[in-house]
Amino acid sequence: GENVEQHPSTLSVQEGDSAVIKCTYSDSASNYFPWYKQELGKRPQLIIDIRSNVGEKKDQRIAVTLNKTAKHFSLHITETQPEDSAVYFCAASTETSGSARQLTFGSGTQLTVLP
Amino acid sequence: DTAVSQTPKYLVTQMGNDKSIKCEQNLGHDTMYWYKQDSKKFLKIMFSYNNKELIINETVPNRFSPKSPDKAHLNLHINSLELGDSAVYFCASSQDHEQYFGPGTRLTVT
Repeated sequence: GENVEQHPSTLSVQEGDSAVIKCTYSDSASNYFPWYKQELGKRPQLIIDIRSNVGEKKDQRIAVTLNKTAKHFSLHITETQPEDSAVYFCAASTETSGSARQLTFGSGTQLTVLP
Repeated sequence: DTAVSQTPKYLVTQMGNDKSIKCEQNLGHDTMYWYKQDSKKFLKIMFSYNNKELIINETVPNRFSPKSPDKAHLNLHINSLELGDSAVYFCASSQDHEQYFGPGTRLTVT
């Protein structure tokens, strides 16, 4: 089955600096890579995703890059703000049947933005 | 309106009891999921239902049984609860790629 590794497990940055979180996956059949943000006591919420036919995607201060050859993908947050503090999860997904997709999550990164 | 809802939000019970968690989605999605998030925040899929059929069944104990009365509901029933079942359980739904999560149910087994 799919295995997703995520680094670092904790990351502290100064407000205004950039943050980068990296993930690797093992199953070359994975074709969808979402990133979720989970604030304390809340549900995971999708912040950005990328499909295997695209190398990079950007949404305001957030960008994701994908290297299918190396099976790496990364989340980049620029101009970090205290409200960016949360746990971030990467995931890799393959389609099973119908519309179902099996998401395998990384172990999470606790991002702390220091004011 | 809440897209994916779960009840209860908190559940405290003793070992050996049987309990259920309910999930409903009003998004018209075809697929629903149950995830378990342990104390270390690991998120792991337990079950998936597509059009009322179980299509993913990860290696969870058979004390856990998902039940889907219709496309909008996926309930989780747990028999003979154990201490290790303490976790946050999230329901989710999807139509294509994006999965929408419910608010979670924090289960504590004492």
